[in-house]
Amino acid sequence: ILNVEQSPQSLHVQEGDSTNFTCSFPSSNFYALHWYRWETAKSPEALFVMTLNGDEKKKGRISATLNTKEGYSYLYIKGSQPEDSATYLCAFISSGGSYIPTFGRGTSLIVHP
Amino acid sequence: DVKVTQSSRYLVKRTGEKVFLECVQDMDHENMFWYRQDPGLGLRLIYFSYDVKMKEKGDIPEGYSVSREKKERFSLILESASTNQTSMYLCASSLQSRGLYGYTFGSGTRLTVV
Repeated sequence: ILNVEQSPQSLHVQEGDSTNFTCSFPSSNFYALHWYRWETAKSPEALFVMTLNGDEKKKGRISATLNTKEGYSYLYIKGSQPEDSATYLCAFISSGGSYIPTFGRGTSLIVHP
Repeated sequence: DVKVTQSSRYLVKRTGEKVFLECVQDMDHENMFWYRQDPGLGLRLIYFSYDVKMKEKGDIPEGYSVSREKKERFSLILESASTNQTSMYLCASSLQSRGLYGYTFGSGTRLTVV
């Protein structure tokens, strides 16, 4: 089983703060990385699919970067809002197997008004 | 709006019961998946399917089986429910894309086995 680590496990920030968290994954056999947002009582929603080293993706105030050589991806949220409160999941896909994502345990973000 | 629909949001079953969790997608996706989510653990893959009547074991298939008789429907079966199967179950689907597209998830079924 592949090791996909997310840090921190949880994060509390004030409205308006910018924040970031990390997904670490094996640096060999990289194929793709997914980021998902999972709000309470809703379905996980795909944010980004990243495939190339150096990729940067942006969706509104949320952006992500990818470093496949060192095995990490950062997710940034600029000017956090209470509606950003959710668990953020990353999922690593290796080229060496069935191309099924291995999920990290997630980072729980709570944005206080 | 494309959807993955899980038949029940909450379910309470007794130990030893046979339990069916149903999942239907309307996107004509080839791949379908069943995951469980437990506190402090990531999403863990139970079974997946690449096509009708095809199934593959995931990381934790013990105590479960699946059925995919139609492309849009993927059922998870707990042959004899046990308390350690109390969990949140998530169904997902994707295009046959080797993970180059994100997954579409259902809203989950919270199963309690008493």
